[in-house]
Amino acid sequence: GAVVSQHPSWVICKSGTSVKIECRSLDFQATTMFWYRQFPKQSLMLMATSNEGSKATYEQGVEKDKFLINHASLTLSTLTVTSAHPEDSSFYICSARVGYYEQYFGPGTRLTVT
Amino acid sequence: AQTVTQSQPEMSVQEAETVTLSCTYDTSESDYYLFWYKQPPSRQMILVIRQEAYKQQNATENRFSVNFQKAAKSFSLKISDSQLGDAAMYFCAYRSYEFRGSQGNLIFGKGTKLSVKP
Repeated sequence: GAVVSQHPSWVICKSGTSVKIECRSLDFQATTMFWYRQFPKQSLMLMATSNEGSKATYEQGVEKDKFLINHASLTLSTLTVTSAHPEDSSFYICSARVGYYEQYFGPGTRLTVT
Repeated sequence: AQTVTQSQPEMSVQEAETVTLSCTYDTSESDYYLFWYKQPPSRQMILVIRQEAYKQQNATENRFSVNFQKAAKSFSLKISDSQLGDAAMYFCAYRSYEFRGSQGNLIFGKGTKLSVKP
């Protein structure tokens, strides 16, 4: 089946610094990529949707300037958390859609801000 | 707006037994997709089963089957012959048929934590 990778799987950064998370579709081209955030024991919350070559569409309440999304190619999307703070600590999951309804998820990235 | 409700925060089943996880949804759309995803402790989301709303036949994937009741807006997941590896969080999800506006985002329920007792 289709594989989506995320890098890094776990990152620890200091408050005020920025961190970039990469999401790659390894064996297919993704028409659309999604970024989710998941708090412990909770469901996935959609943060933004991105299509290759165009600006991401952010969900209400998600700060565009804080969570920068760049969909550089049909196989790569990046999420940059700028000026991270402890409240940004969470589990971030990307997902890539191919075709009409097949959507594959990455393994997630655990972000810890100290 | 569409909503997905999973009313069972936790469920438990004996190994080799059968368990049913409940899911209801609310929508005004007539065409859509419904999914069950599994999230084990590794937190990798895995698609368990998919149902197209226009299909009357319930979807089946090996030990996993659904009971899709469109009029009642109900979409339950039945796991037969439960195995220890089935222990995970299970999320019910809805997706619009059309891409307009929502861009086909998945709308998730809050999840049901399934434990399997040996």
